[in-house]
Amino acid sequence: GIQVEQSPPDLILQEGANSTLRCNFSDSVNNLQWFHQNPWGQLINLFYIPSGTKQNGRLSATTVATERYSLLYISSSQTTDSGVYFCAGKYSGGGADGLTFGKGTHLIIQP
Amino acid sequence: NAGVTQTPKFQVLKTGQSMTLQCAQDMNHEYMSWYRQDPGMGLRLIHYSVGAGITDQGEVPNGYNVSRSTTEDFPLRLLSAAPSQTSVYFCASTQVVGTEAFFGQGTRLTVV
Repeated sequence: GIQVEQSPPDLILQEGANSTLRCNFSDSVNNLQWFHQNPWGQLINLFYIPSGTKQNGRLSATTVATERYSLLYISSSQTTDSGVYFCAGKYSGGGADGLTFGKGTHLIIQP
Repeated sequence: NAGVTQTPKFQVLKTGQSMTLQCAQDMNHEYMSWYRQDPGMGLRLIHYSVGAGITDQGEVPNGYNVSRSTTEDFPLRLLSAAPSQTSVYFCASTQVVGTEAFFGQGTRLTVV
């Protein structure tokens, strides 16, 4: 199967700071998605972004499918942005019809 | 519209016991799946279903059983619980394969 590498693994920032999270895939994927797991464990879908750029408020994401990576930008961070951010995708060459997840970036926003 | 609902939220089992984790969605999604999340790791696919009556194995299927008799429900069965199955279990659904995934709130299972 594919390997999904996320960086950085941990990030501690002050409120108001900006950040960029990266996701690299070992092979071509489709269905690329970003999720936020809040401190209560709930998984929220942030972006479905197989290619191109999308924005939603202070968050935006860019996927360059040909180079097998995706970036998640968080601007003007708030304490509610804390949690773990996961990227996931499905190997486009076949296999099980499910998502392969990275290990996540643990983000802490301090007031 | 409740989305994806999982029950129970918490469960403690003794080794060798069996149980069923329930998952229901009210979005008329064709695709449903089960994942497990272990500390320091991302989610791993256990089983999935592309429609009623169709199921298939994911990355870590051993020790788990599934069935899909209706579009709405996709229960996950542990036949004989083992401590290695201590984990947080998530159910997800998408309208069809390859679209935006929606997750339930998770079931935290401890096997002692």
